[in-house]
Amino acid sequence: QKEVEQNSGPLSVPEGAIASLNCTYSDRGSQSFFWYRQYSGKSPELIMFIYSNGDKEDGRFTAQLNKASQYVSLLIRDSQPSDSATYLCAVNEGGYSGAGSYQLTFGKGTKLSVIP
Amino acid sequence: DTGVSQNPRHKITKRGQNVTFRCDPISEHNRLYWYRQTLGQGPEFLTYFQNEAQLEKSRLLSDRFSAERPKGSFSTLEIQRTEQGDSAMYLCASSLEGSPGNTIYFGEGSWLTVV
Repeated sequence: QKEVEQNSGPLSVPEGAIASLNCTYSDRGSQSFFWYRQYSGKSPELIMFIYSNGDKEDGRFTAQLNKASQYVSLLIRDSQPSDSATYLCAVNEGGYSGAGSYQLTFGKGTKLSVIP
Repeated sequence: DTGVSQNPRHKITKRGQNVTFRCDPISEHNRLYWYRQTLGQGPEFLTYFQNEAQLEKSRLLSDRFSAERPKGSFSTLEIQRTEQGDSAMYLCASSLEGSPGNTIYFGEGSWLTVV
């Protein structure tokens, strides 16, 4: 059974601070890793994906991947109240080309609250 | 790019009734997925189509659940003899084979309440 673990939170950070969201996964065969943001009552919205060890930056967001530790994280710099949402980590076996598993396994999500 | 479209957005039905949800994927995407999400949980994979072929359906929750994708365009998810435990948000997603990471994009979801 493939598992993706996230702290459910809530994680509270003050406006302007860095929010750090963490995720661990059980399947060593996993190759692609995704972060989705989900506002209450809405559907998941893709933030970014990562497939190589190291950091990947996109605006205020940085994803970090460590396959040896089976760990992926998302940093949000200069957090804003509009970032308050649940952040879902998702994992699949497919590589960068999209070959392999089509199925994403999601964690339960971490609820982030950014305090003005 | 109009995104993934789902309807109805909300459905309230009595236990034992059948319900059907429709999904129109992003136009150039050939892969289509159905997920289910309950409160406090992440989305749970149900089934997958590549073009018109349903390549994975073993994760459908029971034989009351079925999905189709005629002609590889829109898809429908049907739940027969609904039960209260079927109350959830049903998410459709699509992706383009060969795209980086096979990134999938979700529709707005269809909320089902069984009373």
